[in-house]
Amino acid sequence: RKEVEQDPGPFNVPEGATVAFNCTYSNSASQSFFWYRQDCRKEPKLLMSVYSSGNEDGRFTAQLNRASQYISLLIRDSKLSDSATYLCVVNVFMDSNYQLIWGAGTKLIIKP
Amino acid sequence: DTEVTQTPKHLVMGMTNKKSLKCEQHMGHRAMYWYKQKAKKPPELMFVYSYEKLSINESVPSRFSPECPNSSLLNLHLHALQPEDSALYLCASSQQAGYEQYFGPGTRLTVT
Repeated sequence: RKEVEQDPGPFNVPEGATVAFNCTYSNSASQSFFWYRQDCRKEPKLLMSVYSSGNEDGRFTAQLNRASQYISLLIRDSKLSDSATYLCVVNVFMDSNYQLIWGAGTKLIIKP
Repeated sequence: DTEVTQTPKHLVMGMTNKKSLKCEQHMGHRAMYWYKQKAKKPPELMFVYSYEKLSINESVPSRFSPECPNSSLLNLHLHALQPEDSALYLCASSQQAGYEQYFGPGTRLTVT
């Protein structure tokens, strides 16, 4: 089982719709979680950090379920500019170091 | 200001060349990272510096040699690369290891 798993998509969603992605992780000692978005041929950009149960920023909501070991990202009222790949990242303390484990990403395409 | 700068933006080099990639941040971050990213894959961690000391080396071939001259600068020295080393090389920094990482725009490297 991969340490961090995401549905690769693509998710094809009409503009204005609500879309949700899930990300599951295998290490129960994971301490913090991040969502990044990455546009084609660009660097990843931090979207949200999750340290407790969840976080909300405008149209974006991230929720953490430690019991089931998954993090979700909800995008409301989706815009064309939300089209990107969304990467789930999990912070784990192992081998005396904090390490970020990256999911493979979920591709989102918003259609007009 | 969450800016990480990288130079050069693009680099084409032959297999016998020696070149260096540079990364700089002025956010007072104490952890800096090098990642390699191939198309349609997530970033792959290469090296982590924490408080200017190399803390993680993810079994990277010795033709890649990192250097951290001070807390703001990170270099990646390249020598005798192979065509399969062609990729986007990303630098990132974070307040400390395990915190949110902020990425530079990357250097797109082509090895001929």
